[in-house]
Amino acid sequence: DADVTQTPRNRITKTGKRIMLECSQTKGHDRMYWYRQDPGLGLRLIYYSFDVKDINKGEISDGYSVSRQAQAKFSLSLESAIPNQTALYFCATSDRGLAGADTQYFGPGTRLTVL
Amino acid sequence: AQSVTQLGSHVSVSEGALVLLRCNYSSSVPPYLFWYVQYPNQGLQLLLKYTSAATLVKGINGFEAEFKKSETSFHLTKPSAHMSDAAEYFCAVSAIGNQFYFGTGTSLTVIP
Repeated sequence: DADVTQTPRNRITKTGKRIMLECSQTKGHDRMYWYRQDPGLGLRLIYYSFDVKDINKGEISDGYSVSRQAQAKFSLSLESAIPNQTALYFCATSDRGLAGADTQYFGPGTRLTVL
Repeated sequence: AQSVTQLGSHVSVSEGALVLLRCNYSSSVPPYLFWYVQYPNQGLQLLLKYTSAATLVKGINGFEAEFKKSETSFHLTKPSAHMSDAAEYFCAVSAIGNQFYFGTGTSLTVIP
């Protein structure tokens, strides 16, 4: 079984709808991240969490919110989806260690299309 | 602040030829540097990372990268390309306590 899972894997939604992307991990890691990937732009950090009570904004947090329900679960919400949020979304985890030097482990991604 | 620039969004090499993917970084503090690979329809996985130990870093699948502070570079190389190396490659930079910044990626095509 995969260590980092994301649901759904694909989602098509309409402008203005609320949508939640979920991430679960069995690696026992404290740190979790949400990125979006756009062609030609690479990966950009949306939010990250170093433990259950810690939530931090990343490079592009506007229009998104997150919830860290447990050590193993980190959800990303789009309160009112818009077309320019169409992208490939990745969840990642990393272990406790020297922050910045830790290896990140990525899920398989969720492809979101907002019409 | 940190950032990375990957020169060349698409690189094509013949099978058996040298692979060279370029990455230059900008960092106001000593950086940590990473190369990740993304195979089609998959998430990213770590190839190698530099964390201020040896400047020549060896990774998985025969890849290596050399940290050159004077050139602010961390180029990825492999002596002999294999068809299975076809993928997208991302350079990333971080610093102690900081978040990661990824480059825009380089798509590697291997020609039989």
